[in-house]
Amino acid sequence: QVQLVQSGAEVKKPGASVKVSCKTSGYTFSSFYLHWVRRAPGQGLEWLGIINPSNGDTYYAQKFQGRVTMTRDTSASTVYMELSSLRSEDSAVYYCTRFTSQAFDIWGQGTSVIVSS
Amino acid sequence: EKVMTQSPATLSVSPGERATLSCRASQSVSHKLAWYQQKPGQAPRLLIYDASTRATGIPVRFSGSGSETEFTLTISSLQSEDFAVYSCLQYDEWPITFGRGTRLEIK
Repeated sequence: QVQLVQSGAEVKKPGASVKVSCKTSGYTFSSFYLHWVRRAPGQGLEWLGIINPSNGDTYYAQKFQGRVTMTRDTSASTVYMELSSLRSEDSAVYYCTRFTSQAFDIWGQGTSVIVSS
Repeated sequence: EKVMTQSPATLSVSPGERATLSCRASQSVSHKLAWYQQKPGQAPRLLIYDASTRATGIPVRFSGSGSETEFTLTISSLQSEDFAVYSCLQYDEWPITFGRGTRLEIK
């Protein structure tokens, strides 16, 4: 079945970077865009950006431009999201999610990122 | 960007009763609106897409309506497993934007 499996929880210090992976399976990797979304404690869901697995093209939310980088490894059917210059407000659960004609239909299990000194 | 506003922030309803949740867009999003349910420690679950189409496996007690700027999610008879946070999102244009969510709690 279609699955998105993310890497494990991370604890980082302010100013550091974090890289989260999202391994896809059960469908053709290049067929659907993948997005990254996060939810900070007590906050709503927040969209970070999108990657086209077919050609690697990306589009980032303005808020994160300059700090976020999304990449993909087609041989591993995996996408990555790296967020740099971390601050406490970046503490959140990060999700990858697939976009189809049914909006975001499949989600990864989430990766907790804690930023603390 | 298109701002999505959900109301109320918290809704207290008794099991078996009807719940009505609202989502308003600052500009038209046509019918490009989806609803998600999220429980603690779980990923969001797609309920409704294209404003009114139930996703696969979603019970018929969940229904969506609306277009342009005004949308509603209705849960006709609340079950215990329905108490969660509900979020709307628009995918009419990038950046994709979410509402802040409505917490549906047991009365």
